[in-house]
Amino acid sequence: QVYLQESGPGLVKPSETLSLRCTVSGGSISGSSYHWGWIRQPPGKGLEWIGSIYYSGKTYYNPSLTRRVTISVDTSKNQFSLKLSSLTAADTAVYYCARLYNYGTDSWGQGTLVTVSS
Amino acid sequence: DIRMTQSPSTVSASVGDRVTLTCRASQNIGNWLAWYQQKAGEAPKLLIYKASSLERGAPSRFSGRGSGTEFTLTITSLQPEDYATYHCQQYDSQSNSYSFGQGTKVDMK
Repeated sequence: QVYLQESGPGLVKPSETLSLRCTVSGGSISGSSYHWGWIRQPPGKGLEWIGSIYYSGKTYYNPSLTRRVTISVDTSKNQFSLKLSSLTAADTAVYYCARLYNYGTDSWGQGTLVTVSS
Repeated sequence: DIRMTQSPSTVSASVGDRVTLTCRASQNIGNWLAWYQQKAGEAPKLLIYKASSLERGAPSRFSGRGSGTEFTLTITSLQPEDYATYHCQQYDSQSNSYSFGQGTKVDMK
């Protein structure tokens, strides 16, 4: 059983950059069969895939967010991270880190609420 | 981009009812379709993967069918713990990208 835990600020100002980290325990981040990714959910709305990364560092991003997103991985710490720039109120959401296979997302963090407000 | 559309947005049902939810893809995704259950304040849980395979630990009253562009999730006899929102997710093997439907809420009739 792998466990994922998000960490980062709960409140960020408009136009600033959000930085979140996901720590993976109970398993290695260095697996070739799956991605590590970020998914968000605005209050009362559906889920949105932000992007994913292989342990090798190869990244894949949602085309609607690609200009603002950077995902990186630190295999030595069993962590991966999200940076989302030029924030607006529309980026207010619960942010989940997750392990994604091509057939489904089998492990999720508990989620962290990020509010964009001055 | 592959767009996923779920219907209905909300379904009202009673305990014991058979409930069927639909998810449609904007283009052929083969069987790269997963279903999730999400309760308020919790992360989603994987129920069905590869369109019709039941995730280990998920109750057998949940079943998935479909391929290509049209998929269904059926709950054969709704239980009190099944009141939740259900999401479908596709995987695009050409771009290594994912997308979700907007969700279907199952609430009490």
